[in-house]
Amino acid sequence: GPKVLQIPSHQIIDMGQMVTLNCDPVSNHLYFYWYKQILGQQMEFLVNFYNGKVMEKSKLFKDQFSVERPDGSYFTLKIQPTALEDSAVYFCASSPDWGAYEQYFGPGTRLTVL
Amino acid sequence: GQQVQQSPTSLVLQEGENAELQCNFSTSLNSMQWFYQRPGGSLISVFYNPSGTKQSGRLTSTTVIKERRSSLHISSSQITDSGTYLCAMEREQGTGSKLSFGKGAKLTVSP
Repeated sequence: GPKVLQIPSHQIIDMGQMVTLNCDPVSNHLYFYWYKQILGQQMEFLVNFYNGKVMEKSKLFKDQFSVERPDGSYFTLKIQPTALEDSAVYFCASSPDWGAYEQYFGPGTRLTVL
Repeated sequence: GQQVQQSPTSLVLQEGENAELQCNFSTSLNSMQWFYQRPGGSLISVFYNPSGTKQSGRLTSTTVIKERRSSLHISSSQITDSGTYLCAMEREQGTGSKLSFGKGAKLTVSP
């Protein structure tokens, strides 16, 4: 089936550094998402993105977070600067459009902030 | 409050037994999905099931939108079915869509 790819699979960085998580969504999909899952906890919605804009973000999407997808390349989540509480697995997802469509998830990027 | 309630939170079975996992939603929903999460963390979509009954091999999902509930039935469980099963609902927002997840049901199948 359709696949979402995420790069890297693991990232270890020092607190205060910047990190960029990359997502290659399903081709022809128009809606993109980031979710966050802290180890052993619930999966939480961070942000969705459509037509070059953030459509909705949760309280977890702090000011230090930003997303973009320049010219159909990777859909990225940037955290600058990182904090210890940003350690989590970040999942990217995409869907053909918004509404009642299946979301396809990537394998996740495990981010460890030291 | 929690929009998605999963039950049971954990389940231990012997190989060959059946499992029934439930998901209840506190608000109206457009659709829902069931996921399987491996102990290592990777997420696998099991069913996209906005309504009705879907079957794939030993897995069957039934969603009753009007009653805001969905179930996942696993027949003749196998050791490899062990892991966490997540349900998630999609509630259409004015500015877009997002999934709200339950806390998961941890399934352990032993020989």
